[in-house]
Amino acid sequence: GQSLEQPSEVTAVEGAIVQINCTYQTSGFYGLSWYQQHDGGAPTFLSYNALDGLEETGRFSSFLSRSDSYGYLLLQELQMKDSASYFCAVRDQTGANNLFFGTGTRLTVIP
Amino acid sequence: ETGVTQTPRHLVMGMTNKKSLKCEQHLGHNAMYWYKQSAKKPLELMFVYNFKEQTENNSVPSRFSPECPNSSHLFLHLHTLQPEDSALYLCASSQERTSSHEQYFGPGTRLTVT
Repeated sequence: GQSLEQPSEVTAVEGAIVQINCTYQTSGFYGLSWYQQHDGGAPTFLSYNALDGLEETGRFSSFLSRSDSYGYLLLQELQMKDSASYFCAVRDQTGANNLFFGTGTRLTVIP
Repeated sequence: ETGVTQTPRHLVMGMTNKKSLKCEQHLGHNAMYWYKQSAKKPLELMFVYNFKEQTENNSVPSRFSPECPNSSHLFLHLHTLQPEDSALYLCASSQERTSSHEQYFGPGTRLTVT
């Protein structure tokens, strides 16, 4: 089976940097994705890591360590609109694009 | 607007009713998915269709019945549901064999079973 763990809630100040961690246990592993979901909205794709290292996309970066079964999402220069839930998701061996999601981290950005 | 639409956005149904959820993607993708999202729980993958063929059924009760008539449309037929089936049902699509494996989600149908 698959198991992903993320902190349930994180609070950070506008303009600061926040890191959301994700640890996983899966029978197979093809890559780690991150999605953002605002209240009442649909999940939207942020990043994907298949290999170890850091991927940067604007203010957001994602890191993966396959040997540690660990990844994180780094959000810089936080803005109020970044308040949302963030989900990590794993692709495993059972299907090409099948994703298994964590329970999500609720990020609250305060002034 | 992600290119994936779902109707209805909200649905209230009794346990003896039969209803259907509809999803349509305008992105030319060849894979579509149904997810269930309940409070305090991770998104649960229910069904996967690749090239219109069902390739995954994650032990979903038979009161949920998917249908994929073509690569752009996906339905979820509901009958004799239970109150614990109340949740947000999300549809997603993707293109196989892309480097990012990105899935595009619709806005969801908020289902309440009374």
